[in-house]
Amino acid sequence: TQLLEQSPQFLSIQEGENLTVYCNSSSVFSSLQWYRQEPGEGPVLLVTVVTGGEVKKLKRLTFQFGDARKDSSLHITAAQTGDTGLYLCAGGSQGNLIFGKGTKLSVKP
Amino acid sequence: GAVVSQHPSWVICKSGTSVKIECRSLDFQATTMFWYRQFPKQSLMLMATSNEGSKATYEQGVEKDKFLINHASLTLSTLTVTSAHPEDSSFYICSARDLRALNTGELFFGEGSRLTVL
Repeated sequence: TQLLEQSPQFLSIQEGENLTVYCNSSSVFSSLQWYRQEPGEGPVLLVTVVTGGEVKKLKRLTFQFGDARKDSSLHITAAQTGDTGLYLCAGGSQGNLIFGKGTKLSVKP
Repeated sequence: GAVVSQHPSWVICKSGTSVKIECRSLDFQATTMFWYRQFPKQSLMLMATSNEGSKATYEQGVEKDKFLINHASLTLSTLTVTSAHPEDSSFYICSARDLRALNTGELFFGEGSRLTVL
């Protein structure tokens, strides 16, 4: 059974701080996506990474796919209150998408 | 990006009644749609995979007779919660896979439907 472990599960920081969220698995994924979900809404796709070692930047967010395509990280620089939400990683394999349990981020002013 | 719309966003019903939730892909075709259930502060739990023109595939522990799924066209899937009970109250979310993104497996999510059963 393929599993994606996200850490930390909860994270509460002050505005302006940096943070990193991790997504780890013992399985290899053909692609990995990161989503952000705000309360009462559906998840919104942030990025898709497909190549081992790939790094993608989305403004203050930096996403990295591990060389072996088993893990990924999301780094946020100078967090803002608007970054608050549930961050989900999802790994794609053979047409299926497996979700991690999510990291609930709270950025306080 | 691709747009997926769910309706209704909120629904309150009495115990014992049935509720239908629609999931539409607005600007792309989706042979496969997925239905999830999400409890407060938790991640998504896949309930079933909806396949256009065929029967849905349900995850273990999900009652197919209670959660009826119909995927009659390439842009519409419906989830009907039959004989709803208070424990069925939850946030239900659908997602769809764009045929053009089959390789990456990207999913586009609806806004979610909050069901409250009294």
